[in-house]
Amino acid sequence: DAGVIQSPRHEVTEMGQEVTLRCKPISGHDYLFWYRQTMMRGLELLIYFNNNVPIDDSGMPEDRFSAKMPNASFSTLKIQPSEPRDSAVYFCASCPRGIYEQYFGPGTRLTVT
Amino acid sequence: GENVEQHPSTLSVQEGDSAVIKCTYSDSASNYFPWYKQELGKRPQLIIDIRSNVGEKKDQRIAVTLNKTAKHFSLHITETQPEDSAVYFCAATNPNSGGSNYKLTFGKGTLLTVNP
Repeated sequence: DAGVIQSPRHEVTEMGQEVTLRCKPISGHDYLFWYRQTMMRGLELLIYFNNNVPIDDSGMPEDRFSAKMPNASFSTLKIQPSEPRDSAVYFCASCPRGIYEQYFGPGTRLTVT
Repeated sequence: GENVEQHPSTLSVQEGDSAVIKCTYSDSASNYFPWYKQELGKRPQLIIDIRSNVGEKKDQRIAVTLNKTAKHFSLHITETQPEDSAVYFCAATNPNSGGSNYKLTFGKGTLLTVNP
């Protein structure tokens, strides 16, 4: 398996623009997680899904952020409109049922100017 | 919810020395404690984990200890090597809360530098 796949790897956008980050989890993994990493706040869980259903979205910072998982092999994290304070590395991770080790993707480095 | 504190935030050691990173957690129901290593510019990867039914676990030069009474756990790296230089994150969760809880609460991380 290729592991968790994220795209794009780097995104530079202007304030006010819509940003969409994409993730393909490892095949067979029932759980998918979206994290945001910054120097100030560390690694924060934004939302996670079980079998495509959002289970905990308490970490989503505000209504500008939304996440979807239309099927078992694809998820998106959307920011609309984007702001400079959204600049961070966004990681997607997945894990199989009963195994709590999370496998992280390579991350998307987002810069909002 | 769970709160995890991690210390120190930075740690510098000489090659061959030992390194110890400590974490405390707030939820006494937490019973799964993983450690992740993140090299510069890379993704976090699990290096070792421990469940609350054991007090210590070892894997070659890495060991983790758990004190449930005091609600703290530690990562020990012996005979450190330059390739151990990375950011290390601790985390905690109770997989059994709410029937199926996979949410990890991470500490803020420790930047370990091993000097040759």
